[in-house]
Amino acid sequence: QSALTQPASVSGSPGQSITISCTGTSSDVGTYNLVSWYQQHPGKAPKLVIYEVTERPSGISYRFSGSKSGNTASLTISGLQAEDEADYYCCSYATSRTLIFGGGTKLTVL
Amino acid sequence: QVTLKESGPVLVKPTETLTLTCAVSGFSLSHPTMGVSWIRQPPGKALEWLAHIFSNDQKSYGTSLESRLTISKDTSKSQVVLSMTNMDPVDTATYYCARIVRDGYNRFSWVDPWGQGILVTVSS
Repeated sequence: QSALTQPASVSGSPGQSITISCTGTSSDVGTYNLVSWYQQHPGKAPKLVIYEVTERPSGISYRFSGSKSGNTASLTISGLQAEDEADYYCCSYATSRTLIFGGGTKLTVL
Repeated sequence: QVTLKESGPVLVKPTETLTLTCAVSGFSLSHPTMGVSWIRQPPGKALEWLAHIFSNDQKSYGTSLESRLTISKDTSKSQVVLSMTNMDPVDTATYYCARIVRDGYNRFSWVDPWGQGILVTVSS
């Protein structure tokens, strides 16, 4: 199966909001509300920031939110902070009883 | 506190079999909704899900590597083992194990926390 499609990079200034898209198919994102998002700082392991499309784990800032429309899921980060600069990956359950990750998006805080 | 830690060789030769162990603490491998996944990340590249295993021994593998992978668990030792045969330089990557959670419909929901990862280099 192919990876979910994410933009290679996005950027924003401190205090602004940015949105990262994640496009899949009717075999994964479009059918299941089982999309999760992970933040990865350089040299570190990924960290869960959103699960089941819109749910935020304990300890994750309210500035992180998720949504989905059709085959595309989105992660929005509001009130950008320098510490948000990282790589972000989406992930979805798929009909083939597997998990599929996106290609990753590098977020730069200007 | 849930923690996972990967161990194994950091250097393997082409055609060899890689065997990695994930030691878990803070949750039981007999938990009905929690399991362990293996995920890898080549240097500078994206994450790739490899396999996972649950308490009832349900296993799933990524389709592109399924023929080369074997996942197993030792519940009494709180360990999960991943084997990958016929290693190639393109398999050079950081290999992570992580807890995976499934929902009430036996579908895989999210992966967290992750181990620190182990960088495996394939070279002669």
